[in-house]
Amino acid sequence: QVQLVQSGAEVQKPGASVKLSCKASGYRFTSHSMHWVRQAPGQGLEWMGIIDHSGVSKYAQKFQDRVILTRDASTSTGYLELGSLTSEDTAFYYCAREDKLGTIDFWGQGTLVTVSS
Amino acid sequence: SYELTQPPSVSVSPGQTATITCSGDALPKQYAYWFQQKPGQAPVLLIYQDTERPSGVPERFSGSSSGTKVTLTISGVQAEDEADYYCQSVDSSNSHYVFGTGTKVTVL
Repeated sequence: QVQLVQSGAEVQKPGASVKLSCKASGYRFTSHSMHWVRQAPGQGLEWMGIIDHSGVSKYAQKFQDRVILTRDASTSTGYLELGSLTSEDTAFYYCAREDKLGTIDFWGQGTLVTVSS
Repeated sequence: SYELTQPPSVSVSPGQTATITCSGDALPKQYAYWFQQKPGQAPVLLIYQDTERPSGVPERFSGSSSGTKVTLTISGVQAEDEADYYCQSVDSSNSHYVFGTGTKVTVL
């Protein structure tokens, strides 16, 4: 069965960077795109970007200058790196798979990132 | 930037019908999707391509589309349906994904 297992919680200082991982299993990793979505405490879902099945990334304009999505096909793992952190980046970060028809169908369990001095 | 607008909250008694709307200019051209999120959990796909229900999703959940508005209907609401619901679609101008503002469903 499809599983997306994300790395553990992070605490970072303002100005720092964080790199999160999302290990996929139960499907052919390189045949599917992976999305990253975040959710600040008590807030809604916010799309950050996608790395498609061929490894090409596209980012929401809000994060364009400080986010990088990568993947390692050999370990079926996707990564999100977010730089220049501020307290407003405190949130749960989710990875999610896209099926071949454009549906976001499976989600990871989420990783809490806390930015605090 | 492109926005999908939902009502902040909907209240419904058990056994009644809950209707959640999602409005966006590009919805006539782009599919809509619906997700349910319970406290402390990741979102779960409820509806895809406007009206399709994945296997395992109860039949009381249905989706419809009309012009710039899509609707999620929960028929015969149960206590376990109390959750946040989000629509999602794609911005036609740049193919970026967008989530709706979210609707909290309260079962009275």
